[in-house]
Parts: sequence; C-alpha cells; structure tokens
Amino acid sequence: NAGVTQTPKFQVLKTGQSMTLQCAQDMNHEYMSWYRQDPGMGLRLIHYSVGAGITDQGEVPNGYNVSRSTTEDFPLRLLSAAPSQTSVYFCASSYRDTLYEQYFGPGTRLTVT
Amino acid sequence: RKEVEQDPGPFNVPEGATVAFNCTYSNSASQSFFWYRQDCRKEPKLLMSVYSSGNEDGRFTAQLNRASQYISLLIRDSKLSDSATYLCVVLEPGYNKLIFGAGTRLAVHP
Repeated sequence: NAGVTQTPKFQVLKTGQSMTLQCAQDMNHEYMSWYRQDPGMGLRLIHYSVGAGITDQGEVPNGYNVSRSTTEDFPLRLLSAAPSQTSVYFCASSYRDTLYEQYFGPGTRLTVT
Repeated sequence: RKEVEQDPGPFNVPEGATVAFNCTYSNSASQSFFWYRQDCRKEPKLLMSVYSSGNEDGRFTAQLNRASQYISLLIRDSKLSDSATYLCVVLEPGYNKLIFGAGTRLAVHP
C-alpha cells in the first residue's frame, strides 16, 4: 500500500493564482481531511469528509474548496491564493470508527508571494 | 483560550533523562485523548492513546486528569531518537474532528 500520497511536495504561487493540491489514499478509509500547519499554531482543520459525496467545513475553511467524488481522492482547491495561505498542508485519512488514528500524507509546502 | 494548549518547549535533556510534558484542554465534555509524534519536516504519527486509568507503552506513559483537564506524557530513559515534537490531541465530542495542540519540542542530546 502506498498509504496517503500528496502532490505536489512544494509549490510557489503568486497572489491571486489558483491551484489544486492532490490527495489520494489506498486504504479504503471513509474519513479524509485537510489540515494546515503554521509555526506556533499547530494543525488546524480546513475541511473534512466522512465518505464519498459528503464534505464539511473545519476550523479554517475560508479560501478553500474540496470535493469527494471517490473514496480514494480528496483534492483541496485554493481559489485565489493569498500570502496568509503560505503554510504546510497535510492530508489525512482514517476509518470512521477509528478517527483518532489518522494516517497523514507527507505534506505540501506552499509559499504564496 | 486555545482548545488544547501545550508548552512549546524546547525541552533539552541528556540521554537517559526522564522528561514529562503536560497538555490542557478546555472542553470538559471531551472524552478521548491521544499523543502524536512529529519528526522534523515529517508528517505526524499516532504515538499512543490516553486512558483514564493511564497507559504505558515501554518507556512512554500517558495519563489523564479529568478534574484538572490535563493530559501528560512521561518519557523515561530518553534516547536520541526520541527527539521530535509531541502533539497533544483531543477527539472533539461528536467524534468527527481531532483538535491538535501546537506541540512540545523535545531535543535529546548525548
């Protein structure tokens, strides 16, 4: 199993550009989520999904969209990048019954200039 | 007030030392607690769960104090490989979200 994969690993965007961060898992996990991690702030939940076709907002959803058309994929779209979105983004997945055991991808380091 | 608060450290300790981290949580309805470990520039990984009765896994002991709303992690006989950031995590009541603390950094030196 590849586990949770994320692409790209690094990205530099200009203010106002849009892009999609890709996330895929091959463990048949129902639950998938996106976090951002900033120094001193810890991991903050952006959006999550409890199954295909179902998404919900987390703590910091503004400026981001998600969709869950398949169990495996959970892309995160930045609509119009802002410098405040410079961060490390982690995708994670788990079985719904064992939500506490999140499997994280390797992260995407995003810089917005 | 943050929902989960941790001392950011760093805790600098020699090999073989015993070190303890505390974490406080604000929601008294929270029921489930965990510690994750994150190595530098890597993704977080589950270290252990925290039970009301305490939980021991080798050199690691996690404890919960519900009355004071804090969780602790004790590491005995520290190894160089224990150097990492330790994240305190609370499962939100309703069970759809994990709330992460900002982490406590541990550096073990020879």
